[in-house]
Amino acid sequence: QKEVEQDPGPLSVPEGAIVSLNCTYSNSAFQYFMWYRQYSRKGPELLMYTYSSGNKEDGRFTAQVDKSSKYISLFIRDSQPSDSATYLCAMSAGAGSYQLTFGKGTKLSVIP
Amino acid sequence: NAGVTQTPKFQVLKTGQSMTLQCAQDMNHNSMYWYRQDPGMGLRLIYYSASEGTTDKGEVPNGYNVSRLNKREFSLRLESAAPSQTSVYFCASSEAGPDTALTFGAGSRLTVL
Repeated sequence: QKEVEQDPGPLSVPEGAIVSLNCTYSNSAFQYFMWYRQYSRKGPELLMYTYSSGNKEDGRFTAQVDKSSKYISLFIRDSQPSDSATYLCAMSAGAGSYQLTFGKGTKLSVIP
Repeated sequence: NAGVTQTPKFQVLKTGQSMTLQCAQDMNHNSMYWYRQDPGMGLRLIYYSASEGTTDKGEVPNGYNVSRLNKREFSLRLESAAPSQTSVYFCASSEAGPDTALTFGAGSRLTVL
């Protein structure tokens, strides 16, 4: 079993839809959870950052972490064509670890 | 601010040739990283430098060497390129460890024939 599993998609939704992106993981030591957004032929950029369990909201984006289920989610409300990108989850155990484990990414297309 | 700058953006090499990818950051970050991204494999850490003067292996270090030239610059060298090293390479930096969030460069696309 890979440490981080992420459905690669592709996922295609109409403009205005609510999008749910998910990752599961197996390493219970992970404490820091991130979502990166990567536009085509660009570098990833940090979108959301969460420590431990709980929810975090930033505009149209909500990140959820359920450590008991080893499951994280990113919700995008009122999706826009500009949200079309690949979304990568990433996790770290922290505590001096420099290894950030990425999911393979989910490609999202928002159709106008 | 430029953030993280990588050069070159594109490179084609023949098997056995050597080359160096350059990376510079202007955010006064302590830590720097080199990742490779391959279809179906995600981002994998090659080498990292926790702070100026230190370097450590990541998940896939074989065939690569790195140099942390100063706090700003972190280079990746392929001594004898192989087709398996065809990939997109990303340099990144962070204030401390990766749990302080990474800032990535735009990537360097390398093809080894």
